[in-house]
Amino acid sequence: AQTVTQSQPEMSVQEAETVTLSCTYDTSESDYYLFWYKQPPSRQMILVIRQEAYKQQNATENRFSVNFQKAAKSFSLKISDSQLGDAAMYFCAYRSAPWFGGKLIFGQGTELSVKP
Amino acid sequence: SAVISQKPSRDICQRGTSLTIQCQVDSQVTMMFWYRQQPGQSLTLIATANQGSEATYESGFVIDKFPISRPNLTFSTLTVSNMSPEDSSIYLCSVDPTGGAYEQYFGPGTRLTVT
Repeated sequence: AQTVTQSQPEMSVQEAETVTLSCTYDTSESDYYLFWYKQPPSRQMILVIRQEAYKQQNATENRFSVNFQKAAKSFSLKISDSQLGDAAMYFCAYRSAPWFGGKLIFGQGTELSVKP
Repeated sequence: SAVISQKPSRDICQRGTSLTIQCQVDSQVTMMFWYRQQPGQSLTLIATANQGSEATYESGFVIDKFPISRPNLTFSTLTVSNMSPEDSSIYLCSVDPTGGAYEQYFGPGTRLTVT
């Protein structure tokens, strides 16, 4: 079974600084998708960024980028120029390819606080 | 993407009663999912609800406790039956507009407190 591990329960960053959130996963599948979701206090789950495992190039969305290391099964999220609105719980998630069931599996989450 | 609404947004219920949560999507989607998020925890998949077929439940979740309906491609309900305080959680529905290949979009969640 696939597992997702976020080893940092809490992280803190100064406004305008850069922070990296860690995520590792375990799978025997070759085709899958990885995501970072953000959950602010409103509890709305918001997709931050997605990475297809077959793509070697790291995904980037504005201030958010990932470092995808497939062999190491690592998928970290870098937030540049941190803003107060980035404060939230961040979840790393793994999704199997459709032919393997397509289930979305979440890590335990990392609570990010942003200091002004 | 998809816009998802849930009703109610929150509720306080007495033990032994049941609550039905509604999930409405602004477009037709094949795959809908129900998740539970216990206080301070991550999301756990309860079941997958595809229109025209029985819901598929994950290990630890049973139909008698969490019956699900999926009458059409834009709507689903989750009932939490015979509630106990351990059922106090946030319940979220999500959809996959692409049919299984990419991201899921989530509703705003229903915060349930059982007293």
